[in-house]
Amino acid sequence: DADVTQTPRNRITKTGKRIMLECSQTKGHDRMYWYRQDPGLGLRLIYYSFDVKDINKGEISDGYSVSRQAQAKFSLSLESAIPNQTALYFCATSDSQKRLTDTQYFGPGTRLTVL
Amino acid sequence: QKEVEQNSGPLSVPEGAIASLNCTYSDRVSQSFFWYRQYSGKSPELIMSIYSNGDKEDGRFTAQLNKASQYVSLLIRDSQPSDSATYLCAAPNTGFQKLVFGTGTRLLVSP
Repeated sequence: DADVTQTPRNRITKTGKRIMLECSQTKGHDRMYWYRQDPGLGLRLIYYSFDVKDINKGEISDGYSVSRQAQAKFSLSLESAIPNQTALYFCATSDSQKRLTDTQYFGPGTRLTVL
Repeated sequence: QKEVEQNSGPLSVPEGAIASLNCTYSDRVSQSFFWYRQYSGKSPELIMSIYSNGDKEDGRFTAQLNKASQYVSLLIRDSQPSDSATYLCAAPNTGFQKLVFGTGTRLLVSP
């Protein structure tokens, strides 16, 4: 089984709809991240969480919110989706105990299309 | 200046050649560096990490780090068409709170 899973894998929605993307991990990592990726712009950090009670905005948090329901679960919500939020979304995890040498491990991604 | 910079490419090499991918970074305190491979529409996959000056080899891959020049590179020997992908360089930010990614270099290996 995959260590980091994301649901759904693909989603098409309409402008104005509320959307939730979910991420779960079995790696036992404490840190979790949400990124979006657009062609030519690389990975951009939306939100990150160091534990259940520690949530931080990334570089492009406007229009998004998150919830860390448990150490293993981190959800991303688009309260009112707009077309320029069409992108590939990735969840990632890392282990703070190995922050100098460890890296991030990515889920398979969610392709979101907002019409 | 971006914290981690890469040439977007594409870098085109023939099958069997050595592909050389380069990355520069601005934060002098960065201690660890990571190379990810990403196939189109797929998630980034870690292929190499390096923490010390010099070379680190893993199979066909060699990472090279020069902290004085703030430069890290990835060499792929005997390049295969299956190596065609985008390669992302990453380094932790000051405080090790998050990884900073370059925008990636697209590699094309022709048969």
